[in-house]
Amino acid sequence: GAVVSQHPSRVICKSGTSVKIECRSLDFQATTMFWYRQFPKQSLMLMATSNEGSKATYEQGVEKDKFLINHASLTLSTLTVTSAHPEDSSFYICSARVVGDTQYFGPGTRLTVL
Amino acid sequence: GDSVTQMEGPVTLSEEAFLTINCTYTATGYPSLFWYVQYPGEGLQLLLKATKADDKGSNKGFEATYRKETTSFHLEKGSVQVSDSAVYFCALSETDSGSARQLTFGSGTQLTVLP
Repeated sequence: GAVVSQHPSRVICKSGTSVKIECRSLDFQATTMFWYRQFPKQSLMLMATSNEGSKATYEQGVEKDKFLINHASLTLSTLTVTSAHPEDSSFYICSARVVGDTQYFGPGTRLTVL
Repeated sequence: GDSVTQMEGPVTLSEEAFLTINCTYTATGYPSLFWYVQYPGEGLQLLLKATKADDKGSNKGFEATYRKETTSFHLEKGSVQVSDSAVYFCALSETDSGSARQLTFGSGTQLTVLP
């Protein structure tokens, strides 16, 4: 149980295009999902907290107009990187929180912007 | 604010060696503590957790004890295997009455086990 999936696992896009990443909780309902960004050989940086049916809460320094988050249902949250640039290339990881403290993480999405 | 300090890596061990990865934390309340493992190219997997002082989390031969007096949650394994090679993250989550509890991560420790 408590499986989180992400799609796609890898994406390569041209500079200036937008990319959507999906995060799904497969066997549970998640009222809260989190989006992280991980640079090579570094820890995870929380980007935003997403609650179903409400606007996401962004961490300081994260541009909400660039990283659009939609949490339309209890099993799906999406992150759209708008007008992507090479510096947006990174590993993006989502997680979903179940009852209590535990967060379960998706496998991550490797974004490469050319 | 909350913070997690992990032993810097990388750590390289021979198979069957004893492993300790140190983790200490700073928190204002009574956090829950976690160890996550990240295998190459994958997301994080929960390895073990402890929610209150003196609790011991254990899984797959790994153990960690929540020590409130030393604010520590060191990860140990008696005999590591090559398949344990991964990055290990210590993390905490503050206990509060809010609906969303964020995780604060340590910097991660790369473990390589040689055959």
